[in-house]
Amino acid sequence: NAGVMQNPRHLVRRRGQEARLRCSPVKGHSHVYWYRQLPEEGLKFMVYLQKENIIDESGMPKERFSAEFPKEGPSILRIQQVVRGDSAAYFCASSPLSRTAEGYTFGSGTRLTVV
Amino acid sequence: GESVGLHLPTLSVQEGDNSIINCAYSNSASDYFIWYKQESGKGPQFIIDIRSNMDKRQGQRVTVLLNKTVKHLSLQIAATQPGDSAVYFCAEVLKTSYDKVIFGPGTSLSVIP
Repeated sequence: NAGVMQNPRHLVRRRGQEARLRCSPVKGHSHVYWYRQLPEEGLKFMVYLQKENIIDESGMPKERFSAEFPKEGPSILRIQQVVRGDSAAYFCASSPLSRTAEGYTFGSGTRLTVV
Repeated sequence: GESVGLHLPTLSVQEGDNSIINCAYSNSASDYFIWYKQESGKGPQFIIDIRSNMDKRQGQRVTVLLNKTVKHLSLQIAATQPGDSAVYFCAEVLKTSYDKVIFGPGTSLSVIP
């Protein structure tokens, strides 16, 4: 009966490296959402995915960021050539349906630090 | 654009007192609103929601009030306990092709024992 699992919990990368953040949704949930939270700020929407499809990526930076949710396995948020400004907590949520925001389950996040 | 903002960034209350956290929103097309609680090191946790056709909803120790005229939302916590210490976010849910949740910046609630 696991909730949304995100790993790693903490990730340190040097500038220019790649960061891969993984999110395993609640079993049976096929809708995944990624949010970014800067220190002392609210969560900012990044992308919404269903299995093998990106539905809304309006919050994703145009460069260096990509997301996928393959048929098998976790959803991946990938940040290439990280910069200091990418340091943040990245949260994933999942839901069983697309119209059930009250049913979002959030993971505990991955805290990315770029040094 | 879409935005949800809060009046007070921090709030300190005495244990046992009632807490009121306020929120302003700008999008008139929001279908409903959600309050989340985020404890340190954790993800947001759903507390209560309210539909746009309602002006009040009560849960266990919590009440949410919605004033659409002035686009204002509040969360009232009765008999605040130390375990209520957290950051609270209001969020609006936009009816796009899916339920899209837009978060406000948050209020940090600190309960003084």
